[in-house]
Amino acid sequence: GAGVSQSPRYKVAKRGQDVALRCDPISGHVSLFWYQQALGQGPEFLTYFQNEAQLDKSGLPSDRFFAERPEGSVSTLKIQRTQQEDSAVYLCASSETGYSYNSPLHFGNGTRLTVT
Amino acid sequence: AQKVTQAQTEISVVEKEDVTLDCVYETRDTTYYLFWYKQPPSGELVFLIRRNSFDEQNEISGRYSWNFQKSTSSFNFTITASQVVDSAVYFCALSPLSNTGNQFYFGTGTSLTVIP
Repeated sequence: GAGVSQSPRYKVAKRGQDVALRCDPISGHVSLFWYQQALGQGPEFLTYFQNEAQLDKSGLPSDRFFAERPEGSVSTLKIQRTQQEDSAVYLCASSETGYSYNSPLHFGNGTRLTVT
Repeated sequence: AQKVTQAQTEISVVEKEDVTLDCVYETRDTTYYLFWYKQPPSGELVFLIRRNSFDEQNEISGRYSWNFQKSTSSFNFTITASQVVDSAVYFCALSPLSNTGNQFYFGTGTSLTVIP
């Protein structure tokens, strides 16, 4: 079926604005991840869902970052009161199983957030 | 520590040359998986290969080959007879069992440019 879909593709926000980034994973995939990728860097883990349960949010950089996956499919990453250091590409990934250390992640194209 | 190092930031080769991308990892785990991903300009990370820590057999897939050596904690990736379509950023990633599979550790990536 279709791959991981993220929207919007690009987002420009003024400092202090709230933003919401959407991820539609591959249908039936149990695990969903959010990663942050700064320019010239590798992706860094933000948070992980198994179905609707957020099992790990240790990578969220501050309490301004919030993620949810209420029905175990679509997920939203929300950033409140955006700061310039939040500028990055936000990648969503999903995997088929609930225990994913050996499962490849399937990534979306990402949302490039620019905070001015 | 759990860490992946890709020392080569940028590599340029002329089409049809062979090129090897280096990956060195650190982990306290004895059970882990290693992955390679390709990130073309479109932004989506594409899964290339995974290898578990107990399988040191080298693998070849078309023009791609991988050399896994536990003795040197390396998982290098070679492209034979490179093509312009191989131009992308390549990431090596580590997924250790002890993390319960919720986090992949990515290197900083190697940007490969194949010149026609």
